[in-house]
Amino acid sequence: EDQVTQSPEALRLQEGESSSLNCSYTVSGLRGLFWYRQDPGKGPEFLFTLYSAGEEKEKERLKATLTKKESFLHITAPKPEDSATYLCAVRLTNTGNQFYFGTGTSLTVIP
Amino acid sequence: GAGVSQSPSNKVTEKGKDVELRCDPISGHTALYWYRQSLGQGLEFLIYFQGNSAPDKSGLPSDRFSAERTGGSVSTLTIQRTQQEDSAVYLCASSIAWGEELFFGEGSRLTVL
Repeated sequence: EDQVTQSPEALRLQEGESSSLNCSYTVSGLRGLFWYRQDPGKGPEFLFTLYSAGEEKEKERLKATLTKKESFLHITAPKPEDSATYLCAVRLTNTGNQFYFGTGTSLTVIP
Repeated sequence: GAGVSQSPSNKVTEKGKDVELRCDPISGHTALYWYRQSLGQGLEFLIYFQGNSAPDKSGLPSDRFSAERTGGSVSTLTIQRTQQEDSAVYLCASSIAWGEELFFGEGSRLTVL
């Protein structure tokens, strides 16, 4: 069965304390892995797409990496405005255009 | 408009009533998705429209749920005979054809009393 699992469920960091969020997946055929950010009361906002193991993408304090089993979202020297829920999603090769989302990691950055 | 627009933003209804949720996608986006987000749950795929192709309805949880998309633009999600377990945020997203980036609206929060 195809699964997307995110950990931890919640993470509290001091401002400037770097850490990583994990998205592990067991799927039959990965077409792409996606990271989104969701603020309270808002819809998710696209961050990155990764297609193959070894690929990395960066945006400001965020860097996403991909292996054959998992993806990491590294947050370097986070600021309070990075507080949000981070969602990962996968798109499979055999299920058309569906995106399957994990349950997310709620990140709180304390000043 | 500049982004995906959803209405109403909040809807409170009584069990057994029907509700309609509307999504106005970004102009030019041919792909449109409906997702449901319940507290503590991931986004649950409901339905997908791509241009004039037959929609992918594989995620609709029961026959009380239906959706249509008129003129390749605005979409309406209808829930008949609402139940308390239907309470959730219903999110709409659009993208260019076969696009990788989904643009989400702010959602319609449905509460069934």
